[in-house]
Amino acid sequence: DTGVSQDPRHKITKRGQNVTFRCDPISEHNRLYWYRQTLGQGPEFLTYFQNEAQLEKSRLLSDRFSAERPKGSFSTLEIQRTEQGDSAMYLCASSLISRYDYNEQFFGPGTRLTVL
Amino acid sequence: DAKTTQPTSMDCAEGRAANLPCNHSTISGNEYVYWYRQIHSQGPQYIIHGLKNNETNEMASLIITEDRKSSTLILPHATLRDTAVYYCIAPTDSWGKLQFGAGTQVVVTP
Repeated sequence: DTGVSQDPRHKITKRGQNVTFRCDPISEHNRLYWYRQTLGQGPEFLTYFQNEAQLEKSRLLSDRFSAERPKGSFSTLEIQRTEQGDSAMYLCASSLISRYDYNEQFFGPGTRLTVL
Repeated sequence: DAKTTQPTSMDCAEGRAANLPCNHSTISGNEYVYWYRQIHSQGPQYIIHGLKNNETNEMASLIITEDRKSSTLILPHATLRDTAVYYCIAPTDSWGKLQFGAGTQVVVTP
């Protein structure tokens, strides 16, 4: 257990439905990242926050995807009008930016999404 | 991010050292090399990082060549629990995103 939790762990939905995932990072961590991983591939970056500010979004992230971190604590990732190609593991990670150059990202267990 | 190249897979006998190579010939002077691993059905886990000098922690050692174009992760006494996909990453911004490639699938056998 890294201290990063994600909910739900599994989600099955029908094509066209909206889904929302939650990530609770380690409490003092100010950076929060979202990644997506499909079978046999490494994780793919989606977006990241510093506190409540969204600093970067992947160009691959369609406008059906939106992420928030309203109070700089937990974060939500919403997918609207899901498609079968959205089926993947969605991973959240957090880290504490500090005066050091060293950035260890702590990953949660992931939310596995299946779109039927 | 510097492009990294790793072998697709490798096997290692339990109790022996596992040496995992990574090429990063386009790495720039201020880009660190990070290693993560991902055990099946879990999120990735940080192992170690380095810039120029060799590094060692409780999990592994990292050897970086003098020209910084390649590195080797060493698991000194591999156990069955070390079976995982190992990723070598050289992010341009240490505090930004991690660009994972396909990694090296390491299988430790009894």
